[in-house]
Formats: sequence, structure tokens, C-alpha cells
Amino acid sequence: KQEVTQIPAALSVPEGENLVLNCSFTDSAIYNLQWFRQDPGKGLTSLLLIQSSQREQTSGRLNASLDKSSGRSTLYIAASQPGDSATYLCAAPRGNKLIFGAGTRLAVHP
Amino acid sequence: GAGVSQSPRYKVTKRGQDVALRCDPISGHVSLYWYRQALGQGPEFLTYFNYEAQQDKSGLPNDRFSAERPEGSISTLTIQRTEQRDSAMYRCASSLEGEKLFFGSGTQLSVL
Repeated sequence: KQEVTQIPAALSVPEGENLVLNCSFTDSAIYNLQWFRQDPGKGLTSLLLIQSSQREQTSGRLNASLDKSSGRSTLYIAASQPGDSATYLCAAPRGNKLIFGAGTRLAVHP
Repeated sequence: GAGVSQSPRYKVTKRGQDVALRCDPISGHVSLYWYRQALGQGPEFLTYFNYEAQQDKSGLPNDRFSAERPEGSISTLTIQRTEQRDSAMYRCASSLEGEKLFFGSGTQLSVL
């Protein structure tokens, strides 16, 4: 059974800080892992997808790493901006479906 | 279409009524998923289609919930005899097999 946990549940930081969001999963036999962003009242937007053969993926100021052996993924946000304020969710597969964590609510204040 | 489209955006219904939620996936996406999301939680899996075949319905809470995708494109999630506990955001997503999931904006269901 796949369970996904995200730490911290909430984070408030001043603009410009580098951040690390953590995701852990119980079943390491995964073929990929995805990170999503959710803005209040909006849908989910896929940020990064890491295949099991990769150790990390980068998109702009975002970098996601995957360590299957330890059941962990991290999302690194460099030089945070107020526009980064949102909930960040990670999702790991179980069969054909994605199992989501509860998310990390990020607030970046000017 | 350009993105995953869901309708209606909001649905308010009385307890005991049936509701049908519609999802129009991205053109060419063979995989379609239905999720339900409670406030402050991540999406919870309901059911999954590959083309028109419902491959997994293990997340449907009970037999009042059903879904179909008859032509391998548009999908409908139907809830019969709605109850207040069915109130939630219902989200649809589509993807190419094994690729990124693209979500619609969701249908906010309120059962009074």
C-alpha cells in the first residue's frame, strides 16, 4: 500500500529564501514521482515529473530530487518569491493511480 | 481542447437527488482519472479509465457512485441519491500513459 507524507504541513518565509519541501512514500517500487502546485480555488498544475531512472529534475528555480531507496523526494525552491505562495503536493504511483500527500502550504512574504 | 474541462463549475443539490459531473479531457489523452478533494487534503483517487475501459474503480466510496467514458473521450461521474457527506471538490485529470497528469478546475459539489 502506498502512503505519501509531506513535511512541513505549512511554511512561511521571507522573500529570497531558499526552501526545501519534503515528501516521503512507503512503497519504493515506483516508476515516477510528480510534484504539483495548487493555488487557492484553482486546479492542480504539474510542476515536475521524475522518472525512476532519474535522480532529479529541474525547471527554472525548482529542483526535485528522488531517492527511491530511502523513499524520499525533495522539492527545492531557489530565491523564493511572493508568487511562489501556494500549496505544493507530491504524488507517488500505486499501479495506475497517483497517491497524493496532503501538501505543504507555502507563504512567501515580501 | 487546450486543457481539461469540467462542468459544471459549481453544483448545489438537495439530498437525495442524482448529479452528473462531466469531464472533457485533453484531446488524445488516453488516461482519465477522477479524484475527490476535501479542504486541506490532497486529492483522493476514485476511478481510472484507459480509453473507454474502466480499469480501476477501487476508490469509488459505494455503489451510489459510477463513472463512464463510452467513446474514450468525455467522461461522466454520476452520484445517485446524494448525501451531505458527498459534498467535496471533484477533480478530473487526463494524461498520456505514464506521463504528467493534467487536472481540470474541478466541480465543487454542495449537497444541502
